Amino acid sequence: DAGVIQSPRHEVTEMGQEVTLRCKPISGHDYLFWYRQTMMRGLELLIYFNNNVPIDDSGMPEDRFSAKMPNASFSTLKIQPSEPRDSAVYFCASSWGIAWSSTDTQYFGPGTRLTVL
Amino acid sequence: KNEVEQSPQNLTAQEGEFITINCSYSVGISALHWLQQHPGGGIVSLFMLSSGKKKHGRLIATINIQEKHSSLHITASHPRDSAVYICAVRNSGGSNYKLTFGKGTLLTVNP
Repeated sequence: DAGVIQSPRHEVTEMGQEVTLRCKPISGHDYLFWYRQTMMRGLELLIYFNNNVPIDDSGMPEDRFSAKMPNASFSTLKIQPSEPRDSAVYFCASSWGIAWSSTDTQYFGPGTRLTVL
Repeated sequence: KNEVEQSPQNLTAQEGEFITINCSYSVGISALHWLQQHPGGGIVSLFMLSSGKKKHGRLIATINIQEKHSSLHITASHPRDSAVYICAVRNSGGSNYKLTFGKGTLLTVNP
């Protein structure tokens, strides 16, 4: 398996523009997670899905952020309109989640480095 | 106060030294994860613990549930161990797969 795939790897945009980040989870994994990493706050969970259904979006910072998972092999994180404070590395991760199981490991994608000017 | 605190924030060691990174948390948890983030940014899951100790090669992770504390040890450290090590906890209540992360410990191992 190719692992979790994210695109683009780098995105530079201007304030006010719409940004769409994409993620392809590992085939067979039924959980998908979106994280944001900044120097100030470290890693933060934004939202996660189980079987394509959003389960917890309490980490989504505000209405400018939205995430979808139209099918088991694709998810998007959209920021509209983008602001300079959204500059961060956004990670997608997937797992075959079974509570308490030692196989319940999250596999991270390489991340998308977003810069909003 | 953060729910997950790591210490030290930065650690510099000489090759061969024994390394310890600590993680303390303030909430009830169902599991604790140790992650490694390479200088290039990639994140790898090292361990998931709910009790006791786990060992993988030169890495050992321990957890004390009563004291709400975990340690990650690296024996015979090597420059390739240089990375950021991140502790994350899965809260025992509510969303079962929500992780809360520490700020990370930057480890530099010099040859």
